[in-house]
Amino acid sequence: DAKTTQPPSMDCAEGRAANLPCNHSTISGNEYVYWYRQIHSQGPQYIIHGLKNNETNEMASLIITEDRKSSTLILPHATLRDTAVYYCIVRVYNFNKFYFGSGTKLNVKP
Amino acid sequence: DTEVTQTPKHLVMGMTNKKSLKCEQHMGHRAMYWYKQKAKKPPELMFVYSYEKLSINESVPSRFSPECPNSSLLNLHLHALQPEDSALYLCASSPRDSGGPRVETQYFGPGTRLLVL
Repeated sequence: DAKTTQPPSMDCAEGRAANLPCNHSTISGNEYVYWYRQIHSQGPQYIIHGLKNNETNEMASLIITEDRKSSTLILPHATLRDTAVYYCIVRVYNFNKFYFGSGTKLNVKP
Repeated sequence: DTEVTQTPKHLVMGMTNKKSLKCEQHMGHRAMYWYKQKAKKPPELMFVYSYEKLSINESVPSRFSPECPNSSLLNLHLHALQPEDSALYLCASSPRDSGGPRVETQYFGPGTRLLVL
């Protein structure tokens, strides 16, 4: 199974871009990368997903390296409400199973 | 409606009690999931239902018994739990449980916080 590794915590100033890295060096060619976040004691919230190309939506951008061994989630203008644990997930091929990594606690500071 | 609802929000039970957690979605999704999350840890998959049939059981103890009465409803029956089973129990749904690279975004409910005394 593909695994992900993330830094345990990061700080970001309010209004600045938050760049959250994720390593997934054993990812297979047709496995997607997903990002979710979990605000304290709530259910995880979907943010974005991608396969090979960079992706952008109203919440964030996802940059995937050409070899697909790592990715970066970018929150372009972080706000205090973006303080949460961010999970990088690789979807296991042929099964709809999510294996959550340990997550990065993003602290957005005024 | 893009919401997954879970009841109750909080539950306290003794080790000899029998209780049930309920999860509901009206998005027409055909795959539903139970996860367990301990404090400061990531969610761990417990069960997957696909088209109302159990497709994945991640070696969960039999004191946890899932049930999917219809495509919108998922229950988790609890019996003879241990204090270490205290956790946040999360339900999720996705359009369907499919093989291959098809995108299957999972939508999570707010969870039931369970305390076993």
